[in-house]
Amino acid sequence: EPEVTQTPSHQVTQMGQEVILRCVPISNHLYFYWYRQILGQKVEFLVSFYNNEISEKSEIFDDQFSVERPDGSNFTLKIRSTKLEDSAMYFCASSEVIPEQFFGPGTRLTVL
Amino acid sequence: AQKITQTQPGMFVQEKEAVTLDCTYDTSDQSYGLFWYKQPSSGEMIFLIYQGSYDEQNATEGRYSLNFQKARKSANLVISASQLGDSAMYFCAMKGWTDKLIFGTGTRLQVFP
Repeated sequence: EPEVTQTPSHQVTQMGQEVILRCVPISNHLYFYWYRQILGQKVEFLVSFYNNEISEKSEIFDDQFSVERPDGSNFTLKIRSTKLEDSAMYFCASSEVIPEQFFGPGTRLTVL
Repeated sequence: AQKITQTQPGMFVQEKEAVTLDCTYDTSDQSYGLFWYKQPSSGEMIFLIYQGSYDEQNATEGRYSLNFQKARKSANLVISASQLGDSAMYFCAMKGWTDKLIFGTGTRLQVFP
């Protein structure tokens, strides 16, 4: 069964460094999303992406964040200058026209 | 504003019994969807079931069913014949006319033998 994949599974970085989190959505899906979950808290929406542009973003998704679909398969989230409070699990998700969003296994980001 | 409320931080159920996880929602959208996801201790988010606001019948997927009561704005998840592998966090979520899912705070379910 097709699934969303994410790399790396765990990323440790120093405060102020740039990180890129990578996702490969399900191949025939058209809508892509990033969410994050701070440890012990609920899942929060960051951004949605369709037709090569951002369709919606939350107040969390400030100028430090950017997304890109550099080729036909990858979908990336970049954090330009990481802060301690960016430590969280980051989930990529994708969907077809139907509303169900299928999540990847997540990347745990730890900022030291 | 849209909001999901899960009032049960933790639930216990014995193996083979049924359990209901509560979810209430608030939205001014006429068209919306309700979702349940399972998050095991390994951390991934597993899609379980979806209910559209205009669907007249309650959604079912195997041992999962969604008890949708529109007037009460509730979308409870019923797991029948619980198994030890059902022990996990369960999140209720909603999607309105925009793309994003709004999640509740989750319910930790523990199934004991």
